[in-house]
Amino acid sequence: GAVVSQHPSRVICKSGTSVKIECRSLDFQATTMFWYRQFPKKSLMLMATSNEGSKATYEQGVEKDKFLINHASLTLSTLTVTSAHPEDSSFYICSAVAGNDKETQYFGPGTRLLVL
Amino acid sequence: AQTVTQSQPEMSVQEAETVTLSCTYDTSESDYYLFWYKQPPSRQMILVIRQEAYKQQNATENRFSVNFQKAAKSFSLKISDSQLGDAAMYFCAYTGANSKLTFGKGITLSVRP
Repeated sequence: GAVVSQHPSRVICKSGTSVKIECRSLDFQATTMFWYRQFPKKSLMLMATSNEGSKATYEQGVEKDKFLINHASLTLSTLTVTSAHPEDSSFYICSAVAGNDKETQYFGPGTRLLVL
Repeated sequence: AQTVTQSQPEMSVQEAETVTLSCTYDTSESDYYLFWYKQPPSRQMILVIRQEAYKQQNATENRFSVNFQKAAKSFSLKISDSQLGDAAMYFCAYTGANSKLTFGKGITLSVRP
């Protein structure tokens, strides 16, 4: 149980285009999902918290107009990187918590984004 | 604000031996949870073990166990009978009232055959 998927696993795009990353909880309903960014050999940096049916809460320093988050259902959250630039290249990871276990986050496999 | 400190960036262990990874944290909350996550080269974050602060008994999951010292704010992970598949980056993490995870910097564990 507690499986989280992400799609795509890797994406290459041109500078100025937008990229959408999907995060799905496969076998549970996720009341809350989180989006992280990770640089090589570094720890995870929380970008935003996404609650189903409400606006995402962004961490300080994260541009909400650049990283659009939508949590339209209890099993799906999306992160759209708008007008991507090479400095947005990174590894993006989502996690989800179940309604009956709010303390434990289960992670997706991550999405590697390369902006050329 | 809560902080999690993993002071050792790297460790190495011989296959079949035991290794302990250190973690300390700082918090003013009384109710919280602590975790160890494993991130192998695939970069999939895998939950290894979790500990509720209100429980005095140390959590155990097969070859993985923790030494939770609440007063000292210490939460170390012991891996027994180390296997090649244990080679990964390990993150200690904390969550409290705001449900956000605070991660340590991580430690890279290598296993020597």
